[in-house]
Amino acid sequence: QKEVEQDPGPLSVPEGAIVSLNCTYSNSAFQYFMWYRQYSRKGPELLMYTYSSGNKEDGRFTAQVDKSSKYISLFIRDSQPSDSATYLCAMGVSTSGSRLTFGEGTQLTVNP
Amino acid sequence: DSGVTQTPKHLITATGQRVTLRCSPRSGDLSVYWYQQSLDQGLQFLIHYYNGEERAKGNILERFSAQQFPDLHSELNLSSLELGDSALYFCASSGGPGSYTQYFGPGTRLTVL
Repeated sequence: QKEVEQDPGPLSVPEGAIVSLNCTYSNSAFQYFMWYRQYSRKGPELLMYTYSSGNKEDGRFTAQVDKSSKYISLFIRDSQPSDSATYLCAMGVSTSGSRLTFGEGTQLTVNP
Repeated sequence: DSGVTQTPKHLITATGQRVTLRCSPRSGDLSVYWYQQSLDQGLQFLIHYYNGEERAKGNILERFSAQQFPDLHSELNLSSLELGDSALYFCASSGGPGSYTQYFGPGTRLTVL
């Protein structure tokens, strides 16, 4: 079983829709959580990061973490065609080393 | 632009050969991480260096090695290359062992023929 599970999609939505991307994890040692956006296998771009359970908002993006359920989400409001990319969740433990364990990524297409 | 640079962008080589990938972290960052992304595997952690010292190893083959130099740039050496080593290789940097936000470079696309 993978430590981090993420539905690979593909996910296709119309412009303006609210997008929900999700990951589940099995390792309770994970302490911090990130979302990256990757365009056409370019370098992953850090979108959001959080250390605690709850919600964190940044513009059109909201990251949600539920440590009790081992479940994290990224919501994109008012989605735009430029949001079309692969979204990767990533997690790490709070010790030296700080390697990230990634989900497979969800491929998102926002149609104009 | 994350501030992390990687060279070369593309590398095409033959089986059995050796290549070196280079990474320069963001200014002030002490940690460098290497990841491999293949089509069927997703992003896999290879190795982490902090201020010149190896801190953690992941699924890194014995044919692969890395180092971080006094100026903090890092090199990933891949030897006895096999077809299955074809992948994207990314480095990421962060401020230190307690700093968990990692910023990725543009990657090196390695093709082994």
